[in-house]
Amino acid sequence: SQQGEEDPQALSIQEGENATMNCSYKTSINNLQWYRQNSGRGLVHLILIRSNEREKHSGRLRVTLDTSKKSSSLLITASRAADTASYFCATDDGRPNSGYALNFGKGTSLLVTP
Amino acid sequence: DVKVTQSSRYLVKRTGEKVFLECVQDMDHENMFWYRQDPGLGLRLIYFSYDVKMKEKGDIPEGYSVSREKKERFSLILESASTNQTSMYLCASSLPGEIYYNEQFFGPGTRLTVL
Repeated sequence: SQQGEEDPQALSIQEGENATMNCSYKTSINNLQWYRQNSGRGLVHLILIRSNEREKHSGRLRVTLDTSKKSSSLLITASRAADTASYFCATDDGRPNSGYALNFGKGTSLLVTP
Repeated sequence: DVKVTQSSRYLVKRTGEKVFLECVQDMDHENMFWYRQDPGLGLRLIYFSYDVKMKEKGDIPEGYSVSREKKERFSLILESASTNQTSMYLCASSLPGEIYYNEQFFGPGTRLTVL
């Protein structure tokens, strides 16, 4: 079942600007992940933040997690045209008999124009 | 690098045909998953498998079945394709979640059109 909901659904910015996407979820989680999908392709894992972490960085990516508000944000700094893609958050609830399947949101479509 | 491959990038089938979508991963992952992706609906889990010959229903298993005879291969079967199964199908694999936090590795997807 879908748990994560990204906001906004679509975002258009210019190169060099920062892009912020938000994700809200409903039940307790073990971790939250962000994935990127280029048009018509498979998803690529970007970053994972565990439920006991509040912030994580990877290159130009910064992820925050607020478990009290059941929300996360993904910040892409100094965006480039190559960042144009759809971004999905995914959560798991740690149930062993689920195969640790992930629940994906519907995604934020990011367009970065030169 | 983990590689997940899917047998076709594009597939066109007719209503009522039996359709096989194949997925192979080369990193000895225990878990494998099939999703479908539709505009406005995001990714929805069809079936997953956490071991050879094991399968579990996801959120939308109706009209689909799966087969996992070998660890590296997970097949999605549409017994009698219908037009509402036109979609992008994505396969993924992962290591055991309790150790590796179940980061999933995706194949490139198969865009299936049922006429």
